[in-house]
Amino acid sequence: DAKTTQPTSMDCAEGRAANLPCNHSTISGNEYVYWYRQIHSQGPQYIIHGLKNNETNEMASLIITEDRKSSTLILPHATLRDTAVYYCIVRALYDKFYFGSGTKLNVKP
Amino acid sequence: EPEVTQTPSHQVTQMGQEVILRCVPISNHLYFYWYRQILGQKVEFLVSFYNNEISEKSEIFDDQFSVERPDGSNFTLKIRSTKLEDSAMYFCATTLGSYGYTFGSGTRLTVV
Repeated sequence: DAKTTQPTSMDCAEGRAANLPCNHSTISGNEYVYWYRQIHSQGPQYIIHGLKNNETNEMASLIITEDRKSSTLILPHATLRDTAVYYCIVRALYDKFYFGSGTKLNVKP
Repeated sequence: EPEVTQTPSHQVTQMGQEVILRCVPISNHLYFYWYRQILGQKVEFLVSFYNNEISEKSEIFDDQFSVERPDGSNFTLKIRSTKLEDSAMYFCATTLGSYGYTFGSGTRLTVV
């Protein structure tokens, strides 16, 4: 079962930052926080992952709270192509990924 | 950027027929997975494969399903006798090991 809680849907204006929250209050010390997204029925696409430090790459930033019970994915300048379902997943290394329902992000012009 | 390639992109088959879905993993990846997604539902784990054997499988992965790497490069999912409820998107995923998976673009299986 999913160990994360995410809002069902969110809206964001094009060009603005999209901040997607995730609660994972039962995360274990050896579990990482991963974010994937799925556009239409395409294969899930890796975005970013982290253990306890904040992370940034060319797609997004990941902010993990100090107690690791929640995190936020930030898309700094959302575009229409960022409209997708975003999945927050906690996972220990070498475990399988379990996908919950995710957050449907609607980027609007 | 390396990709996971899946063929065919769309397969239509009659109920009771056998289908084979194919995946070409990223060349140095060692761990292989199949997931499926019924229309409008979650992405579900089917099976993981490492070192030429199944390492884990879900309840969905019953005797009708099998996986293999017939030639050391392709990774296949076979459904022996398809049912209407097998209609779904099937995704192959591969990883080098400890970090994230790379997913293929999927095969849409339609059983009629």
